[in-house]
Amino acid sequence: LAKTTQPISMDSYEGQEVNITCSHNNIATNDYITWYQQFPSQGPRFIIQGYKTKVTNEVASLFIPADRKSSTLSLPRVSLSDTAVYYCLVGDNTGFQKLVFGTGTRLLVSP
Amino acid sequence: DAGVIQSPRHEVTEMGQEVTLRCKPISGHDYLFWYRQTMMRGLELLIYFNNNVPIDDSGMPEDRFSAKMPNASFSTLKIQPSEPRDSAVYFCASSPGGNSYNEQFFGPGTRLTVL
Repeated sequence: LAKTTQPISMDSYEGQEVNITCSHNNIATNDYITWYQQFPSQGPRFIIQGYKTKVTNEVASLFIPADRKSSTLSLPRVSLSDTAVYYCLVGDNTGFQKLVFGTGTRLLVSP
Repeated sequence: DAGVIQSPRHEVTEMGQEVTLRCKPISGHDYLFWYRQTMMRGLELLIYFNNNVPIDDSGMPEDRFSAKMPNASFSTLKIQPSEPRDSAVYFCASSPGGNSYNEQFFGPGTRLTVL
């Protein structure tokens, strides 16, 4: 089971870049890395996914080194509305029980 | 599409009572998931269905919990009898794909309080 480890919480200020790193030392060859974002009183929502190298979309970038034992979610120029919990997940084409959300990283963005 | 719909949004009940949570997945999604979220344990997968059939219920905490999916557009999670430790936010999610890396679409959740 590819367990993930990420910081419990992070603080930032508006306009700064935020990088959240997730460790997944036991990642398997077929595993993808997926990040979800959860705002207060809402369900999580998918923000980005990658297998290796770098992925970028309108919300974030995901950096994955060659050994894939970790990944970094990068949020450019955060705003107050980016205050949320961010989950790093590792999963492949097998059963969903392998997909563990856990407690995520609580990001607080201040003015 | 309206997204995943859950009802009720809030439920307050007394210990020993039966609680039924409801979910309508996104049309066309073959997979439906029930999650429980607490501060201590985070977001935990309870059970998931594929084409209305329960595939894995190993996350269901005990026999007091049961889930059904009588058709492609409706699922229920029932707790009988309820206990205070069942207090949590329960999320339903659906997905069009059967791989664990496929995107899951979550509903707004049901906040359950058992007194």
